[in-house]
Amino acid sequence: GQQVMQIPQYQHVQEGEDFTTYCNSSTTLSNIQWYKQRPGGHPVFLIQLVKSGEVKKQKRLTFQFGEAKKNSSLHITATQTTDVGTYFCAVARGAGGSYIPTFGRGTSLIVHP
Amino acid sequence: EAGVAQSPRYKIIEKRQSVAFWCNPISGHATLYWYQQILGQGPKLLIQFQNNGVVDDSQLPKDRFSAERLKGVDSTLKIQPAKLEDSAVYLCASSPRVREQYFGPGTRLTVT
Repeated sequence: GQQVMQIPQYQHVQEGEDFTTYCNSSTTLSNIQWYKQRPGGHPVFLIQLVKSGEVKKQKRLTFQFGEAKKNSSLHITATQTTDVGTYFCAVARGAGGSYIPTFGRGTSLIVHP
Repeated sequence: EAGVAQSPRYKIIEKRQSVAFWCNPISGHATLYWYQQILGQGPKLLIQFQNNGVVDDSQLPKDRFSAERLKGVDSTLKIQPAKLEDSAVYLCASSPRVREQYFGPGTRLTVT
């Protein structure tokens, strides 16, 4: 089945520093989704990337899909304490047009004020 | 728009007991997912429904877990009998055809 590796597992930053998490697959992906889960909360959808080399921005968040569609990154510029949480990527497995999601282990972001 | 509803929010049971969780997806969402999330890990898909049919249940421990989605709307997930390793948060999500998932608040299960 589809496997996805997410690194790093944890990241401590000082408020104002940048943060990046990476999601890597050994196989070509049809698309990739990113979710954020606050401590004690549930995952919240952030974005979906579909096209090779795609770059999308949401305020201080920049999402990138690799040219080979095997990796993706989420970059946060100038972190704030509100960015604290775990960021997950999710990829699809399944054939024949079915979409069966598989989540990475997530990267937990800790922001020190 | 109302979000995904789940109940109960918390449940504590002893091992070998039974437990059931309920999920009401967002109105009009055809796809419904049940996930198990163990502390420090990503959500693990247990079962996926499209309307009231099962799309995937390959990671559902079928000797103790069961799920149904009657009339293609609400869904229940049952564990019988529970084991200590079933302690986790059980998340329900739904999605329209575009595949982004909307998660409910989850049920935190503790098995003692």
